Amino acid sequence: AQRVTQPEKLLSVFKGAPVELKCNYSYSGSPELFWYVQYSRQRLQLLLRHISRESIKGFTADLNKGETSFHLKKPFAQEEDSAMYYCALGGETSGTYKYIFGTGTRLKVLA
Amino acid sequence: DGGITQSPKYLFRKEGQNVTLSCEQNLNHDAMYWYRQDPGQGLRLIYYSQIVNDFQKGDIAEGYSVSREKKESFPLTVTSAQKNPTAFYLCASLQRPYGYTFGSGTRLTVV
Repeated sequence: AQRVTQPEKLLSVFKGAPVELKCNYSYSGSPELFWYVQYSRQRLQLLLRHISRESIKGFTADLNKGETSFHLKKPFAQEEDSAMYYCALGGETSGTYKYIFGTGTRLKVLA
Repeated sequence: DGGITQSPKYLFRKEGQNVTLSCEQNLNHDAMYWYRQDPGQGLRLIYYSQIVNDFQKGDIAEGYSVSREKKESFPLTVTSAQKNPTAFYLCASLQRPYGYTFGSGTRLTVV
């Protein structure tokens, strides 16, 4: 079965501090992992895909298959990073492709 | 402008009433999804459709119904059988491997 775990509901950091939002997954196949972000009063939008190995707004995420993790990191947090972050796992179950989302982590960056 | 349009933005339902949430996309994506977003519970899959005239139940389909008569449209009906319908509803379309594109959501409140 597909499962995504985001252990922290709320993460508060000071501006300029490093940030790590944790995501662990469970999936027997080859996973497709994503981070989505929802800023206040805005729609949910894609932040990162593991296949692209890119850095968006200073955030990076590395897929660690051994630890089944896809943690989101940023070396220096900014106030505008405050938002709700969701980790998502895409995979096939019973011939159907779908995403499973974690419960989300609210990041608050304090001045 | 390509994207997903959800309407209305706010919807109020009386007890015993069915209401329909609209979702339209002009991205030419085959797959479309409906999620329910509740605080602390993340996004839970209600229904999804991978192709016109076909759809499957997600994890919390009870009390909901959908149709997929056109590629562009995937309306969700919240029936009177849904006992706790107050939530934020998100529609998405998918183009692998790029991930979901989300609508701006509909907030449904029971009055």
